Amino acid sequence: DIQLTQSPSFLSASVGDRVTITCRASQGLSSYLAWYQQKPGKAPKVLISAVVTLQSGVPSRFSGSGSGTEFTLTISSLQPEDLATYYCLQLQSYPHTFGQGTRLDIK
Amino acid sequence: QVQLQESGPGLVEPSQTLSLDCTVSGVSVLTFDYFWSWIRQTPGKGLEWLGHVSYRGSTHYNPSFKRRLLISEDSSENKFSLKLTSVTAADTAGYFCAAQYYYDSNPFDTWGQGSLVIVSS
Repeated sequence: DIQLTQSPSFLSASVGDRVTITCRASQGLSSYLAWYQQKPGKAPKVLISAVVTLQSGVPSRFSGSGSGTEFTLTISSLQPEDLATYYCLQLQSYPHTFGQGTRLDIK
Repeated sequence: QVQLQESGPGLVEPSQTLSLDCTVSGVSVLTFDYFWSWIRQTPGKGLEWLGHVSYRGSTHYNPSFKRRLLISEDSSENKFSLKLTSVTAADTAGYFCAAQYYYDSNPFDTWGQGSLVIVSS
């Protein structure tokens, strides 16, 4: 199985801050990496697919980048509604696997 | 627009079979356009993909669950189902059904609201 390790596991930041979450894979991925946002009591929502593709309706302050074994999710200017847990997901091989999550708190 | 809705018992006894349904609306469950998955979430292990069913009943399972897991489609009720046998407390989780469009390398872009299942006597 491909293991995904996110860092940090917990992050506290202020409104307006630039926030970066990293996802490291145990082996190289091509473009089959997605990022999800999950708010309490809700299902995960896809933000970014194929490393860099912003999903329809997702604010442009979210962006994705990376290649090989290291990928990042960036929020350019943190907003109060971004309080959530964020997950990466690899779809390159079976079984599909998720990172352990990064909980983002607003100071 | 595709929508998914989980249903099933919220409490299952240890050693029994956990059964959940996911009712699909907006498209036929038999369409070749979608992969229909089950994903669960626990505090300890986070999000785990369990497996999927796709066109004409083709399945793919997470090896960690393969011996205990069955995912199937039911065209008469336009749903797909999960059966997990010989459950233990470790199977207590929130269970989500989710869909991928066209390729199994596309993200899960449609999810049900989730169903909490507790394994306890």
